[in-house]
Amino acid sequence: DIQLTQSPSFLSASVGDRVTITCRASQGISSYLAWYQQKPGEAPKLLIYGASTLQSGVPSRFSGSGFGTEFTLTISSLQPEDFATYYCQHLNSYLYTFGQGTKLEIK
Amino acid sequence: QVTLRESGPALVKPTQTLTLTCTFSGFSLSTSGMCVGWIRQPPGKALEWLALIDWDDDKYYSTSLRTRLTISKDTSKNQVVLTMTNMDPVDTATYYCARITIPGLYSMDVWGKGTAVTVSS
Repeated sequence: DIQLTQSPSFLSASVGDRVTITCRASQGISSYLAWYQQKPGEAPKLLIYGASTLQSGVPSRFSGSGFGTEFTLTISSLQPEDFATYYCQHLNSYLYTFGQGTKLEIK
Repeated sequence: QVTLRESGPALVKPTQTLTLTCTFSGFSLSTSGMCVGWIRQPPGKALEWLALIDWDDDKYYSTSLRTRLTISKDTSKNQVVLTMTNMDPVDTATYYCARITIPGLYSMDVWGKGTAVTVSS
């Protein structure tokens, strides 16, 4: 199975900062890569699919990019509501894999 | 508006079988390109995908759990049922169902709120 490794696992940042989270795949993957945001006690929320397509209703400060084995989620200017845990996810041959998560905390 | 809601027992004993139901609205699982999946999350841990069923009744399972899982759908009731056999305390988790669509490149675009399941004697 393909493994997804997110870095960093923990990230401390301030409101207004630009942050980037990386998701690395154990082998080259297609663009079936999605990013989710999860706040404590809530279900995950889809942010990005197809590696770079912004889900409807998601603020434009979120963006995704990447190809092959390395993908990134960027938040251009952190807002207070963005402090959460972020997961990448890949689908390959109808088997889904999630990254281990990146917890974004307020500095 | 698309919604999904998970239901099932909050507590099961070790070795028992867990049956969870996902009741959804706002879409039909008989429509081409529509799927429903199950995902779980142990307390404080990462998400883990369990199973998926599509509009054509094709079923897919996590490699590590496939021998214990069965997913099925009742299109007339807008429900998807997941059973997991031989429950163990390590299966304690919040279980989510989510809609998955081909136009969304198989991303999980709408999630239920989740149902917490504890495995304990």
